[in-house]
Amino acid sequence: QKEVEQDPGPLSVPEGAIVSLNCTYSNSAFQYFMWYRQYSRKGPELLMYTYSSGNKEDGRFTAQVDKSSKYISLFIRDSQPSDSATYLCAMASGGSYIPTFGRGTSLIVHP
Amino acid sequence: NAGVMQNPRHLVRRRGQEARLRCSPMKGHSHVYWYRQLPEEGLKFMVYLQKENIIDESGMPKERFSAEFPKEGPSILRIQQVVRGDSAAYFCASSPWKAGGSSHNEQFFGPGTRLTVL
Repeated sequence: QKEVEQDPGPLSVPEGAIVSLNCTYSNSAFQYFMWYRQYSRKGPELLMYTYSSGNKEDGRFTAQVDKSSKYISLFIRDSQPSDSATYLCAMASGGSYIPTFGRGTSLIVHP
Repeated sequence: NAGVMQNPRHLVRRRGQEARLRCSPMKGHSHVYWYRQLPEEGLKFMVYLQKENIIDESGMPKERFSAEFPKEGPSILRIQQVVRGDSAAYFCASSPWKAGGSSHNEQFFGPGTRLTVL
């Protein structure tokens, strides 16, 4: 079993839809949870960074962490074609400086 | 404030040649990380450096690969005697120093160097 599991997709939604992206993990030591967005042939861009459980909101994006289920989510409201990209989850344990990345989920938002 | 810079953006090498990839971290960032990304795979950690020090190279192949981050100038990832399997996108990331080490999780990535080995 991989430490971080993420469905590669692609996930195709119409413009304006609410998008839910998810990752599961097996390492209970993970405490820091990140979401990156990567456009085609570009470097990953940090979107959201959360510590421990709970929700964090930033504009149209909401990150949710459920440590009891070892499950994290990224919600995108009012999705736009410009949100079309690959979304990578990443997580790290306290004291570790190396995040473990998921494979990424390809999101396509069509007009 | 310029972001993380990497060059070249594209590099083509023949088998057996050397590849040198350069990374300039964001201003004020003292930590540099190198990752490799293959199609259908996630980002794989290779090496973590601070100025003049390799902190962790556990993700780096034991042979042909080396990295440095000198006191002056960019960080260099060097691949000697490249093989076709080295073809990938190589990303550099940097993070600032913060007490407690939490900044490692706030990494800013460069645009990557796409290495193609013929």
